[in-house]
Amino acid sequence: DSGVTQTPKHLITATGQRVTLRCSPRSGDLSVYWYQQSLDQGLQFLIQYYNGEERAKGNILERFSAQQFPDLHSELNLSSLELGDSALYFCASSVGGGPENIQYFGAGTRLSVL
Amino acid sequence: AQKVTQAQTEISVVEKEDVTLDCVYETRDTTYYLFWYKQPPSGELVFLIRRNSFDEQNEISGRYSWNFQKSTSSFNFTITASQVVDSAVYFCALSEKGTGFQKLVFGTGTRLLVSP
Repeated sequence: DSGVTQTPKHLITATGQRVTLRCSPRSGDLSVYWYQQSLDQGLQFLIQYYNGEERAKGNILERFSAQQFPDLHSELNLSSLELGDSALYFCASSVGGGPENIQYFGAGTRLSVL
Repeated sequence: AQKVTQAQTEISVVEKEDVTLDCVYETRDTTYYLFWYKQPPSGELVFLIRRNSFDEQNEISGRYSWNFQKSTSSFNFTITASQVVDSAVYFCALSEKGTGFQKLVFGTGTRLLVSP
């Protein structure tokens, strides 16, 4: 158990809908990351937050947004969902925000858009 | 730009065989960090090792060993005496100090199947 908690584990929804994925980082970790894993794109970095502030952006669509709250948990919001958004979404956390940090991953949320 | 290549898509071995998973990386930064993660069938990503660019010592942890060679930009992973529980997808990843933040770039992964 990595200590990173993601809910829900599975999510099934329809095209055009909006969903929210939640992540609680390991105790003491200030940085949270979101990744998308799909068959065609592999593991892609979406966004990083550090102590409540956005730190870095990767291949995140405009329809997607995230935030990190004062208690350090994070949410990833996906809107106007398309079939191609079906994927496994991972949250990870680390103590610091720099490139040397080890990221510990949650079990993921599997999103199916029908 | 940073890039990680895992040319082996899938490897099948029989239990107790040794197996090496290849990882080749590209970076323009002189300070960088390399990682290996394991994704078992249950789906979670499990951290295995981190190596920084200034430490070329090989590392051994039980049946696992890692060979880091800057001259060939490779960071290969060897499992000795493989077991069925080693069956998983293994990912190599890279982050660069120059970016100032932690952005992991992953390879496409190598699926290892260990049969009894």
